[in-house]
Amino acid sequence: GEDVEQSLFLSVREGDSSVINCTYTDSSSTYLYWYKQEPGAGLQLLTYIFSNMDMKQDQRLTVLLNKKDKHLSLRIADTQTGDSAIYFCAELMNRDDKIIFGKGTRLHILP
Amino acid sequence: DAGITQSPRYKITETGRQVTLMCHQTWSHSYMFWYRQDLGHGLRLIYYSAAADITDKGEVPDGYVVSRSKTENFPLTLESATRSQTSVYFCASSTGGGVGYTFGSGTRLTVV
Repeated sequence: GEDVEQSLFLSVREGDSSVINCTYTDSSSTYLYWYKQEPGAGLQLLTYIFSNMDMKQDQRLTVLLNKKDKHLSLRIADTQTGDSAIYFCAELMNRDDKIIFGKGTRLHILP
Repeated sequence: DAGITQSPRYKITETGRQVTLMCHQTWSHSYMFWYRQDLGHGLRLIYYSAAADITDKGEVPDGYVVSRSKTENFPLTLESATRSQTSVYFCASSTGGGVGYTFGSGTRLTVV
């Protein structure tokens, strides 16, 4: 079935890099996304990658896409306390133009 | 104010009551969505709309009703609230074409 899988928790020391991994199901997905949800807030689009790209970098964020393995990752360099949030991986299903979300990875920053 | 707004922010209601959650967007986005967020389930799509007067069921539509008479509004009604509908509800909108969704701040609904 349709499922976007990601681990539920990740703990990282402040200043280290965080890597959040995700696997998706639709090999024909044209867009893949990372959303961030801070406590008590809605989801905010962090970045997205088009399927013909392998990598996208935006300041401290690096997205890697492995289409063969249907694997997406988000790397946050120099993790800061403000990065503490839930990160959702998501894919655009081409057949009905809907976005399917993973269950989210809660990123906890250790001092 | 520009953007997507949900109201109320918090709501407590009793089992069996009808309650309507409001969603308003100012961008004239064609697509609008309603999700519920529950621990252990992530985000689940309740209903979506591709344009005014066009709505369709998502993953968990039972017990909910939507309407979209105007492009900018997409209210979600719980016809007879149950405790299992206690959740955080998010509205989202999009132009379509893969640019991603913009979410509202959510409504925390408690059914007692």
